[in-house]
Amino acid sequence: EAGVAQSPRYKIIEKRQSVAFWCNPISGHATLYWYQQILGQGPKLLIQFQNNGVVDDSQLPKDRFSAERLKGVDSTLKIQPAKLEDSAVYLCASSPGTSGGYNEQFFGPGTRLTVL
Amino acid sequence: DQQVKQNSPSLSVQEGRISILNCDYTNSMFDYFLWYKKYPAEGPTFLISISSIKDKNEDGRFTVFLNKSAKHLSLHIVPSQPGDSAVYFCAASAGGGSQGNLIFGKGTKLSVKP
Repeated sequence: EAGVAQSPRYKIIEKRQSVAFWCNPISGHATLYWYQQILGQGPKLLIQFQNNGVVDDSQLPKDRFSAERLKGVDSTLKIQPAKLEDSAVYLCASSPGTSGGYNEQFFGPGTRLTVL
Repeated sequence: DQQVKQNSPSLSVQEGRISILNCDYTNSMFDYFLWYKKYPAEGPTFLISISSIKDKNEDGRFTVFLNKSAKHLSLHIVPSQPGDSAVYFCAASAGGGSQGNLIFGKGTKLSVKP
């Protein structure tokens, strides 16, 4: 079974530029998550999708971050414009999303963003 | 306000000995706890979990203990192997749906020396 795919793996941009990350979850997984992991911290949830609907985006800085999952499969996360403090690893995860109880989340390798 | 705390940034143990990684939490609504392992340049991988209705869960060399009254859990690795060297994250969840989102600690870097 293929895992969660993310691209690019690394990205370096200047502040105020725009950047986009792509995620392809495990086939059949209904729930998709984007996390931000700043160096020395644990991952922090940015947004959760159930199929193509947003379940939780309470921690997404909506003035500069946006995400979409149009066909309920792959997803993109965009930052526009980027700030220095956005330097982090952006992790995508997916889970089966069945009802009731906890669903194990499977993580992709992440995209390391450096904002100069 | 950190709801999940891993107070030891690093831990070093000798191969063959026991590794004990600790985690404290503050939110009494958490009902599911997980440990993830992360190697450099890779995403976290699930290691072991425990429901709040249990106080122990064992999987091979890995055992997680939960003390609800103390809001504390620990991961025991016995015996420790050099391949266990990684960053270990404790995570907690407060149920399914949107409440099932994971809250992570800052991680503990484990080094197992041959």
